[in-house]
Amino acid sequence: GENVEQHPSTLSVQEGDSAVIKCTYSDSASNYFPWYKQELGKRPQLIIDIRSNVGEKKDQRIAVTLNKTAKHFSLHITETQPEDSAVYFCAATLANQAGTALIFGKGTTLSVSS
Amino acid sequence: DVKVTQSSRYLVKRTGEKVFLECVQDMDHENMFWYRQDPGLGLRLIYFSYDVKMKEKGDIPEGYSVSREKKERFSLILESASTNQTSMYLCASGPPSVPYNEQFFGPGTRLTVL
Repeated sequence: GENVEQHPSTLSVQEGDSAVIKCTYSDSASNYFPWYKQELGKRPQLIIDIRSNVGEKKDQRIAVTLNKTAKHFSLHITETQPEDSAVYFCAATLANQAGTALIFGKGTTLSVSS
Repeated sequence: DVKVTQSSRYLVKRTGEKVFLECVQDMDHENMFWYRQDPGLGLRLIYFSYDVKMKEKGDIPEGYSVSREKKERFSLILESASTNQTSMYLCASGPPSVPYNEQFFGPGTRLTVL
């Protein structure tokens, strides 16, 4: 089955710096790679996603890159702000005949200090 | 807005009790999911369902069962609760896998088993 590894587990940056979180996956059939953000005490919410036919996607200060050959994808946050502090989860699709579920990484706790 | 609700935010049960966690979504989504979230372990998939009366095992189904009698409702059942099932339980729902895979999460139920 699918296995998703996420690094680092914790990341501390100064406000204005960039942050990068990396994930690798094992199943070459995976075709959808979302990133979820979970603020303290709240539910996870989708912030950006990328499909296997695209190498990079950007949305304002966040971007995701995908390398299908190497089976890894990364989240890039530029000009970090204190409100970016949260736990970030990457995920990859686990496909079977019936449909599709997501397998999540273990999460990265990002702390942005002002 | 998609609304996913869970029957309880906090629940305290005793070892050996049968526990029901209920999840309801109002967006007519085909897919529904149950995860447990533990510090350092991320979101682990317990069970998911693509249709009424249909279920698939996730990564950690042992000790759990599920029921989906109506499209909008997905129940997680702990047949005989144990202390190692103390955790945060998150329900999610989503549209069919093609073309979208986004999952919408409920607020979570923090279950303590004494």
